[in-house]
Amino acid sequence: QVQLQESGPGLVKPSETLSLTCTVSGYSISSGYYWGWIRQPPGKGLEWIGSIYHSGSTYYNPSLKSRLTISVDTSKNHFSLTLSSVTAADTAVYYCAREAQSPNWFTDYWGQGTLVTVSS
Amino acid sequence: EIVLTQSPGTLSLSPGERATLSCRASQSVSSSDLAWYQQKPGQAPRLLIYGASSRATGIPDRFSGSGSGTDFTLTISRLEPEDFAVYYCQQYGSSHTFGPGTKVDIK
Repeated sequence: QVQLQESGPGLVKPSETLSLTCTVSGYSISSGYYWGWIRQPPGKGLEWIGSIYHSGSTYYNPSLKSRLTISVDTSKNHFSLTLSSVTAADTAVYYCAREAQSPNWFTDYWGQGTLVTVSS
Repeated sequence: EIVLTQSPGTLSLSPGERATLSCRASQSVSSSDLAWYQQKPGQAPRLLIYGASSRATGIPDRFSGSGSGTDFTLTISRLEPEDFAVYYCQQYGSSHTFGPGTKVDIK
């Protein structure tokens, strides 16, 4: 059974950097699939942030690309998100997830989500 | 960037009724790049449909997807109490964008 678990600070100050890690169990990241981040501001819809392949190749949301880094550590079976220069607009529940690509794209396993609040 | 529009914003129906949800793309999307998700309050989204029309593992056959190009539809043939939720479409052809969602609530 594939499981994903987000971890990281629940409170980040404006202008600082948000950092989250997603630990995967029940599946080896190095075996394949893309591994992604999605966020959801309170009471609003879903926004795809970006994804990474086990090889390290990445896809980023163009609107976040200048502030975003997604990395993978296959030895620890986890992947990470850093978002710099955060503002209140970055307050959201952040989900990590597994994305399948071929022959169809879809996101089949999700973490439970972690709320990150940007506030001084 | 491909923009997805979902309609209606809210659908008020009774259990046993049929629900028809629309997802329209600003430009053509390959069927292999279109998926539907269900989200209930306080929960992560759940994959329902991928490849525009294939049901994910464990999804009841009252859920079906159809469409191609720029127009896609999710149909719930007979609403069960557990189906009242928010539904999102997502395209993976360009930047993996989500639609704004359709809320199906109890009439």
